[in-house]
Amino acid sequence: NAGVTQTPKFQVLKTGQSMTLQCAQDMNHEYMSWYRQDPGMGLRLIHYSVGAGITDQGEVPNGYNVSRSTTEDFPLRLLSAAPSQTSVYFCASSRTGGGVYGYTFGSGTRLTVV
Amino acid sequence: TQLLEQSPQFLSIQEGENLTVYCNSSSVFSSLQWYRQEPGEGPVLLVTVVTGGEVKKLKRLTFQFGDARKDSSLHITAAQPGDTGLYLCAGAGSNSGYALNFGKGTSLLVTP
Repeated sequence: NAGVTQTPKFQVLKTGQSMTLQCAQDMNHEYMSWYRQDPGMGLRLIHYSVGAGITDQGEVPNGYNVSRSTTEDFPLRLLSAAPSQTSVYFCASSRTGGGVYGYTFGSGTRLTVV
Repeated sequence: TQLLEQSPQFLSIQEGENLTVYCNSSSVFSSLQWYRQEPGEGPVLLVTVVTGGEVKKLKRLTFQFGDARKDSSLHITAAQPGDTGLYLCAGAGSNSGYALNFGKGTSLLVTP
């Protein structure tokens, strides 16, 4: 099994450009979430989904949109990139809620906005 | 946001030493999870603890969940260079759909 696949691995954007970070999982997990990791800040929750068609905001949602049309895919859209969005982005999935099963993380997308 | 405080932030020890990492919060969690992250990779799950007072052992690693389910600790016995990495605790609660709230991590360096 591939687990959680994130693409691209690296990306450089100019301020104001838009792009979509892809996330796909092949484990039939219901719960998926997006985090950003910044030095000294740890991992912070951007958006999450508890199933297809259901999404909600996390701690730092501004400037990002998500959708969950299928169980497998959970793309993260940057509408108008800003230098403050320079970060490493991680997608994660879990079988169910409650935290019993833990999350499987992708290997991340390193985004630089210039 | 339910805050998790990890300590220490950095730890540099020699091979063979023991260490403990702490994860504390004022909030109650349905579970606490520990992850290990290496440079350029995503976090990898080490353990999940769900019952207050629970203790789990994974070879030389011992994890404990506090009785009140607000805190946890990770103890490593006889650390090895392969234990080097960033250790993250994360709490799952009923808010945010059980998505994880992370501590800022403990960066561990074990030298031969």
